[in-house]
Amino acid sequence: GQQLNQSPQSMFIQEGEDVSMNCTSSSIFNTWLWYKQDPGEGPVLLIALYKAGELTSNGRLTAQFGITRKDSFLNISASIPSDVGIYFCAGQGGSEKLVFGKGTKLTVNP
Amino acid sequence: DGGITQSPKYLFRKEGQNVTLSCEQNLNHDAMYWYRQDPGQGLRLIYYSQIVNDFQKGDIAEGYSVSREKKESFPLTVTSAQKNPTAFYLCASSGGRHSPLHFGNGTRLTVT
Repeated sequence: GQQLNQSPQSMFIQEGEDVSMNCTSSSIFNTWLWYKQDPGEGPVLLIALYKAGELTSNGRLTAQFGITRKDSFLNISASIPSDVGIYFCAGQGGSEKLVFGKGTKLTVNP
Repeated sequence: DGGITQSPKYLFRKEGQNVTLSCEQNLNHDAMYWYRQDPGQGLRLIYYSQIVNDFQKGDIAEGYSVSREKKESFPLTVTSAQKNPTAFYLCASSGGRHSPLHFGNGTRLTVT
């Protein structure tokens, strides 16, 4: 089945630093989604990408749909303490089902 | 406010007992999903339903059952056949084939 590799697994950064994380797939996706999950809560959608090469921003967050349609990255600029949490990528190919990465756990030191 | 409500937030059960997790949405979404999340793992799909009175097994359906009698509701039963039921369970819904999933706030089930 389809698999997503999300990296890094965890990040420890200082407040104010920029963050970058990415996901790669063994197969082509038509949609890439990025979610953030706070402890004990459900994931919240951050950015949705629907076209290869698409670059979309949401405040300090920027995500891109890779040209090959097999990868996507998420950047967070000027991190703040409330950015802590687990970030998940998810991809959708021809079937209805989303495939999720295993998450990147972000810790921001004030 | 439109959203997805999962209840209860925390659930404790003895081994060998079936337990049902509730999921209700008022987003008028056709599709609903159940995922299981374990520490350090991504989300794994248990069951999904694209329309009322129809549902399909996901990747880890063994030991679980669902029903979809109403558009708004998609309860998940964790049966005694599930070997390792302690986990965080997430319900989600979407409005169409390529619409993003919206998640509830989860139910943490502990079986001892």
